[in-house]
Amino acid sequence: GQQLNQSPQSMFIQEGEDVSMNCTSSSIFNTWLWYKQDPGEGPVLLIALYKAGELTSNGRLTAQFGTTRKDSFLNISASIPSDVGIYFCAGQLSRQLTFGSGTQLTVLP
Amino acid sequence: AAGVIQSPRHLIKEKRETATLKCYPIPRHDTVYWYQQGPGQDPQFLISFYEKMQSDKGSIPDRFSAQQFSDYHSELNMSSLELGDSALYFCASSLEGNQPQHFGDGTRLSIL
Repeated sequence: GQQLNQSPQSMFIQEGEDVSMNCTSSSIFNTWLWYKQDPGEGPVLLIALYKAGELTSNGRLTAQFGTTRKDSFLNISASIPSDVGIYFCAGQLSRQLTFGSGTQLTVLP
Repeated sequence: AAGVIQSPRHLIKEKRETATLKCYPIPRHDTVYWYQQGPGQDPQFLISFYEKMQSDKGSIPDRFSAQQFSDYHSELNMSSLELGDSALYFCASSLEGNQPQHFGDGTRLSIL
């Protein structure tokens, strides 16, 4: 089956720093999505990308759909304490989402 | 804005019992998806429905079944529960046509 490699697995950053995480796949996807999950809650959609090469921003978040359709990255600028959580990339082909293993982000004051 | 509603939020069962999880999609969303998330794991796709018909099937055990009703809500039925079924079960919904999936807050199922 399809697998997504998401890195890094965890990050500890100082408040105000920028952070970057990425996902790569051996298969192509039609859509890339980035979700954030807080403990005990469902994943919340941050950004959706639909076309190869697409670069999309949502506030302090910026994500790109790789030109090969096999990768995507997410950048968070000027991190704040509420950015803490697990970030998942997800690739979509047909109606199924395949998730990466997640990046646990900790923001230190 | 209305979100995906799942019930119950928590459920405790014993081995070999049955369980039913319910999902109410965002209004006007016609596609429903079920995912299972084990501790420290990413969500794994189980099954999806579009316009009340099963559309895709993932790693759903034969002991589980699901359906989507005329009002678009969905139920996941789980039988002969095993310890390994303890997990968070998420429902997501979307509009058809490659639209992004929006998730509920999940049902935490614990098997004793």
